Amino acid sequence: AQKITQTQPGMFVQEKEAVTLDCTYDTSDPSYGLFWYKQPSSGEMIFLIYQGSYDQQNATEGRYSLNFQKARKSANLVISASQLGDSAMYFCAMRAHGGATNKLIFGTGTLLAVQP
Amino acid sequence: EPEVTQTPSHQVTQMGQEVILRCVPISNHLYFYWYRQILGQKVEFLVSFYNNEISEKSEIFDDQFSVERPDGSNFTLKIRSTKLEDSAMYFCASSDRVTNEQFFGPGTRLTVL
Repeated sequence: AQKITQTQPGMFVQEKEAVTLDCTYDTSDPSYGLFWYKQPSSGEMIFLIYQGSYDQQNATEGRYSLNFQKARKSANLVISASQLGDSAMYFCAMRAHGGATNKLIFGTGTLLAVQP
Repeated sequence: EPEVTQTPSHQVTQMGQEVILRCVPISNHLYFYWYRQILGQKVEFLVSFYNNEISEKSEIFDDQFSVERPDGSNFTLKIRSTKLEDSAMYFCASSDRVTNEQFFGPGTRLTVL
């Protein structure tokens, strides 16, 4: 069965500092995708970054990067130069590429608070 | 930039009533999804839809739930007889390929009294 684990219910970071949000996953599928979404207090789900299981390079999108360690089954999100607007809930999600399923499996989320 | 839209943003209903949540996916997308998030909990998959039929559904998606694409743009989730535990944020999502990212709508907050 597929599973996403986010062990940090909450994190604090000082403005302009970098922060790492942890995500580990479990799947027996050889092909899968890993996603990070941001959910601000207004409730919408904002796609941030994607990593494919066969991608050789770690994904980067602006201030977001994904530290993908396949052997350890981890896909941590790194936010560089934190801004006050980064305060939100962050969800890691996974989807297997093989078979009939294409649903996203979400973790329980990490609430990030950026302090001035 | 194209986006997924959902209406209404907030729906309050009495237990036992039927509700229809509406979504307009991104126009060239072919795969559609409904997820829900009970307050303070993680996002859970309900159903996926492709080529005018359900491709997968979760155990949450029982006979009280149905989905429909009544025309070329709308995608709806119907709950026939709402229960208190159906209170949640319901998200619609769409993607253009099964392996690409899913873009979420802003959600409909359903409150069942």
